[in-house]
Amino acid sequence: DAGVIQSPRHEVTEMGQEVTLRCKPISGHNSLFWYRQTMMRGLELLIYFNNNVPIDDSGMPEDRFSAKMPNASFSTLKIQPSEPRDSAVYFCASSPLAGGYEQYFGPGTRLTVT
Amino acid sequence: GQSLEQPSEVTAVEGAIVQINCTYQTSGFYGLSWYQQHDGGAPTFLSYNALDGLEETGRFSSFLSRSDSYGYLLLQELQMKDSASYFCAVRDTGGFKTIFGAGTRLFVKA
Repeated sequence: DAGVIQSPRHEVTEMGQEVTLRCKPISGHNSLFWYRQTMMRGLELLIYFNNNVPIDDSGMPEDRFSAKMPNASFSTLKIQPSEPRDSAVYFCASSPLAGGYEQYFGPGTRLTVT
Repeated sequence: GQSLEQPSEVTAVEGAIVQINCTYQTSGFYGLSWYQQHDGGAPTFLSYNALDGLEETGRFSSFLSRSDSYGYLLLQELQMKDSASYFCAVRDTGGFKTIFGAGTRLFVKA
């Protein structure tokens, strides 16, 4: 079975540009998570969906960040406008369990904003 | 507030046993998970404890004491490939979300 798929794997963009990260969870998993990882802040939960519905978005840094899950097999995380401090690795993870104590992570998207 | 504490670094020799501790303070608690992450890779799920006691999976074991808000990951017969970061994570009943610790970087020496 394919694992969690993320695209792109690397993204380099200029400050002010819009960035869209994509995620395809494992088929049958009903929980989806977006994380951001940096050396300074570690692994931060940005938003959590259950059955395509956002349950907790308290980790979304500010209004520049938005996430959608239009169906069970696709989610996007958008940053508009992007800033250099958004540079990080963004992971998408899915879980067959609500709350997700067993999560399967995608390979991540390394975002660099110059 | 909610917090998880684990050592930032641990060093051990190949073939030895190492224990990585995790203490937590959260508004709610459903269970403690452990993840492994190699440099440049993604976190990989290792184990989960919802009840007190020891769970064993091959060379790795995980322990939980809910009364002490404490758990640990035990790695036996260490191999060079075990050099990685290890994260404990707590499932918080408040929002049904998982909160990760800062991670423990394990260095395995020959």
